[in-house]
Amino acid sequence: NAGVTQTPKFRVLKTGQSMTLLCAQDMNHEYMYWYRQDPGMGLRLIHYSVGEGTTAKGEVPDGYNVSRLKKQNFLLGLESAAPSQTSVYFCASSYSIDPGDNQPQHFGDGTRLSIL
Amino acid sequence: GQNIDQPTEMTATEGAIVQINCTYQTSGFNGLFWYQQHAGEAPTFLSYNVLDGLEEKGRFSSFLSRSKGYSYLLLKELQMKDSASYLCAANCPGGNNRLAFGKGNQVVVIP
Repeated sequence: NAGVTQTPKFRVLKTGQSMTLLCAQDMNHEYMYWYRQDPGMGLRLIHYSVGEGTTAKGEVPDGYNVSRLKKQNFLLGLESAAPSQTSVYFCASSYSIDPGDNQPQHFGDGTRLSIL
Repeated sequence: GQNIDQPTEMTATEGAIVQINCTYQTSGFNGLFWYQQHAGEAPTFLSYNVLDGLEEKGRFSSFLSRSKGYSYLLLKELQMKDSASYLCAANCPGGNNRLAFGKGNQVVVIP
């Protein structure tokens, strides 16, 4: 099994351009998450999804949109990229059994995005 | 809200024991996770605690005190490959398995 796969691994954009980051998982996980990681800030949750067709806002959702059309895929979109969105983006997924259940999140290798 | 606090960096010698502390203040709490992240790589799951006490997994152990809002990760018999950032994360209330991460503690292992 590949686990959690993110594409692309690297990308450089100009301010105002748009792009979509793709996350795919083959573990049949219900929950999926998008984080950004910046120096000195730790991992911050952007958006998450608890199942196909559902999405919800995390801690830092502004400037991003997401879609979960298929259970195995979770897409993160930047409609108009800004330099402040330069970051490393991680996708993660997990099982869920009951509300509040503790299941480890499995992370992809990350996408390094630079906005000029 | 959630506030997760960790020291930023520490250096330790190969073969030694190191303790990484994490304090948290959350409006609710379902459990605490520890992750390891090597430079330029993805975080990988190490352990989690729900109840007070010590959980041991080989060279790594994690401790939780819910009443004190405190956890630590203990790394024994340090190896060079243990040089990494160690992240603690609180499982947020309300379900959905959301995690609030601390900023991470960078451990540098020297010969």
